[in-house]
Amino acid sequence: QVQLVQSGTEVKRPGASVKVSCTAAGYTFTYYGITWVRQAPGQGPEWMGWISPYNGNTNSAETLQDRLTMTTDTSTNTVYMELGSLRSDDTAIYYCARAINWGSRTYFDFWGQGTLVTVSS
Amino acid sequence: SYVVTQPPSVSVAPGKTATISCGGSDIGSKTVQWYQQKPGQAPVLVIYYDSDRPSGIPERFSGSNSENTATLTISRAEGGDEADYYCQVWGSSRDYVVFGGGTKLTVL
Repeated sequence: QVQLVQSGTEVKRPGASVKVSCTAAGYTFTYYGITWVRQAPGQGPEWMGWISPYNGNTNSAETLQDRLTMTTDTSTNTVYMELGSLRSDDTAIYYCARAINWGSRTYFDFWGQGTLVTVSS
Repeated sequence: SYVVTQPPSVSVAPGKTATISCGGSDIGSKTVQWYQQKPGQAPVLVIYYDSDRPSGIPERFSGSNSENTATLTISRAEGGDEADYYCQVWGSSRDYVVFGGGTKLTVL
């Protein structure tokens, strides 16, 4: 069955970077993109970015593109999301999800369990 | 940027029908997805392409989309349906993905 397993909880200081991993299983890794979504406490989801494990192409939200880096390792079926210059308002649960049909008909059918990132001095 | 609007909360009696709206300019020309999120859990896809159900989602969940409003309908509501529900669309080649602010469904 399709599974996305994320790395564990992180606590970071303001100004630092965080790198979260998402390891896929149960399907052909390069056939589907992976998207990243974050959710601040008590808030709705915020889309962050998308990466194609097939060719490494990425798209990012305008508000994050200067700080967000997404990479993929096809040897381990893992996607990485790195967010730099962290601020307190980056405190959130970060989710990866499998993206179907990236574009005007995209949707996210399987989600990781989430990774809590806390930014605090 | 494209904006979608949901009511903050909806209440429904057990066994009755709940409707949750997602409003946006000409949203009927876009495909709309709906996700259910229970406390402490990741979102779960319940409707895609306006009205299609993924495998394992009960037939009680249905969707529609026309003009400026998309709607998620939950028939014969159960206590287990209590959750936050979010709509999602493709904004544009600049916005990419847009989520609604969410609707908290209470079954009482």
